[in-house]
Amino acid sequence: GAGVSQSPSNKVTEKGKDVELRCDPISGHTALYWYRQSLGQGLEFLIYFQGNSAPDKSGLPSDRFSAERTGGSVSTLTIQRTQQEDSAVYLCASSLMATGYSNQPQHFGDGTRLSIL
Amino acid sequence: KQEVTQIPAALSVPEGENLVLNCSFTDSAIYNLQWFRQDPGKGLTSLLLIQSSQREQTSGRLNASLDKSSGRSTLYIAASQPGDSATYLCAVMEYGNKLVFGAGTILRVKS
Repeated sequence: GAGVSQSPSNKVTEKGKDVELRCDPISGHTALYWYRQSLGQGLEFLIYFQGNSAPDKSGLPSDRFSAERTGGSVSTLTIQRTQQEDSAVYLCASSLMATGYSNQPQHFGDGTRLSIL
Repeated sequence: KQEVTQIPAALSVPEGENLVLNCSFTDSAIYNLQWFRQDPGKGLTSLLLIQSSQREQTSGRLNASLDKSSGRSTLYIAASQPGDSATYLCAVMEYGNKLVFGAGTILRVKS
């Protein structure tokens, strides 16, 4: 079946612009995660959605970052007033149930490579 | 704060060799430990997931062990092949369903 789909695959934008990154999880997966992968920091957790519960936003680096998940499916990560340090690969993952409670593995998309000029 | 360390950072071996990748973590209060593979320009592929109550998991030529009390895990790859060349990432799942990743081991298997 289809895996996790992310769009766009690449995004180049000017400093100060807003960007939206999209994630389509695997159908039926209730848990959705966003991570950021950068050269200096490695892979970092950003935010986690589980069903209709309030998301865990504890990994978001600043209030310029926000994310939503509509209808328990598609998620959008928004970065406002982008800065050069936001340049990274943003990865989305989904799992059938929350991995910590169910030991269901996370399935990752190929990511969006974001470059801020 | 949980820290995950992977050794070595890079490894180059001839085809056919057996090899071991190491992962250590500082806080033993984890739900599980996962090993992932990442190919250039791609996302992560889950290889093995070891629950905190388990000692090891096996899949084909891969075997992962977990010693939770000492904060260590190893990934054993038998009879390595050029197609195994990739970055291997270790991650621990903490309370709140957050994965904390190591920096990875870049593996190159030469034919």
